[in-house]
Amino acid sequence: KAGVTQTPRYLIKTRGQQVTLSCSPISGHRSVSWYQQTPGQGLQFLFEYFSETQRNKGNFPGRFSGRQFSNSRSEMNVSTLELGDSALYLCASSLVDGGAIAKNIQYFGAGTRLSVL
Amino acid sequence: DQQVKQNSPSLSVQEGRISILNCDYTNSMFDYFLWYKKYPAEGPTFLISISSIKDKNEDGRFTVFLNKSAKHLSLHIVPSQPGDSAVYFCAASDGQGAQKLVFGQGTRLTINP
Repeated sequence: KAGVTQTPRYLIKTRGQQVTLSCSPISGHRSVSWYQQTPGQGLQFLFEYFSETQRNKGNFPGRFSGRQFSNSRSEMNVSTLELGDSALYLCASSLVDGGAIAKNIQYFGAGTRLSVL
Repeated sequence: DQQVKQNSPSLSVQEGRISILNCDYTNSMFDYFLWYKKYPAEGPTFLISISSIKDKNEDGRFTVFLNKSAKHLSLHIVPSQPGDSAVYFCAASDGQGAQKLVFGQGTRLTINP
């Protein structure tokens, strides 16, 4: 079974631009979560989508947004990029079965490394 | 406010010996805990998890211990192997936001031959 796929792997943008990152979850997984990893703040939760609806949101400004499509694929968008947005953006998918906690384990992609100049 | 803390940024262990990685948390609402391993240029890989109704969970060379009263968990790796060299993250979630993981800062484990 293919794992979580994130594209692109690397991205260079300049301040003020916007960027869209893509995530394809493991087949059958309906929940997709996004995380930002920086040396200073570590891994921080951005948001989670389930059945095309944002179900949880972290403490990030409105410049960070996302969406999920009917096939569970997800995109994350950052508008008006700032230097501090340079980070590794990780996507994780999980099966999410209401019964078994074990099925809530999140499986991560390799990430998209975003550099803002 | 760091709700999950890994106070040791790095740990060096000899091959074949036991590696013990520690994690403390402050939020008493956390009821599910996970350990992930991360190699450079890869995403975190799930290792082992434990529910708050248990105090120990074992999977091969990996054992996680949970002490709820101390709000402390630890990951034991026995015996340690060179391939275990990686950054290890502790993560926690509460029942309400099971998909919202709160991560520690990570501990870099180095296994020396």
